[in-house]
Amino acid sequence: GQNIDQPTEMTATEGAIVQINCTYQTSGFNGLFWYQQHAGEAPTFLSYNVLDGLEEKGRFSSFLSRSKGYSYLLLKELQMKDSASYLCAVLDSNYQLIWGAGTKLIIKP
Amino acid sequence: GAVVSQHPSWVICKSGTSVKIECRSLDFQATTMFWYRQFPKQSLMLMATSNEGSKATYEQGVEKDKFLINHASLTLSTLTVTSAHPEDSSFYICSARVGGDSYEQYFGPGTRLTVT
Repeated sequence: GQNIDQPTEMTATEGAIVQINCTYQTSGFNGLFWYQQHAGEAPTFLSYNVLDGLEEKGRFSSFLSRSKGYSYLLLKELQMKDSASYLCAVLDSNYQLIWGAGTKLIIKP
Repeated sequence: GAVVSQHPSWVICKSGTSVKIECRSLDFQATTMFWYRQFPKQSLMLMATSNEGSKATYEQGVEKDKFLINHASLTLSTLTVTSAHPEDSSFYICSARVGGDSYEQYFGPGTRLTVT
């Protein structure tokens, strides 16, 4: 079966750095997405990785290792507005997006 | 660019009635649109995938006669919840994909449905 694992919840302090991990086992791989979803709102796109390595975009970076079936989202200089759920999703061999359950990130002052 | 709208943003209806939700891609043509449902504190659950001009492909366990999807044009897809029941109360979100080499999905703001 297809499986995407990410921690259910994480807590971090404002101004700090947090890393949210995602491991996947899917039938094929055509890329991995990270989305941010605030409570009661729809997801918004953060990043897309299809090749191994680190992609940096401002305070957010995303890393991929295809051989390990592993990705992480790194958030630097945390702000209160970063409190949200972060969803990992993998594009499988049929170009279907397989969604993780999401990681709820709580930022404390 | 890549803006998707949904209407209505929230709706309350009585049990047994039908509700139609519209999803529009405002500044691009969407070859494929997706409908998701999300219960509180749970992840997105894909209900169906629709391509313009063809029948929607429903995920296992989703009743196609209850959740009618019409993708009449490259910018509009509709989801009709027929004979709604309280257990259909949920957050319904649509997304759209441009197609070609892009697989990113652009999400609408969601519709919160409450069935009383």
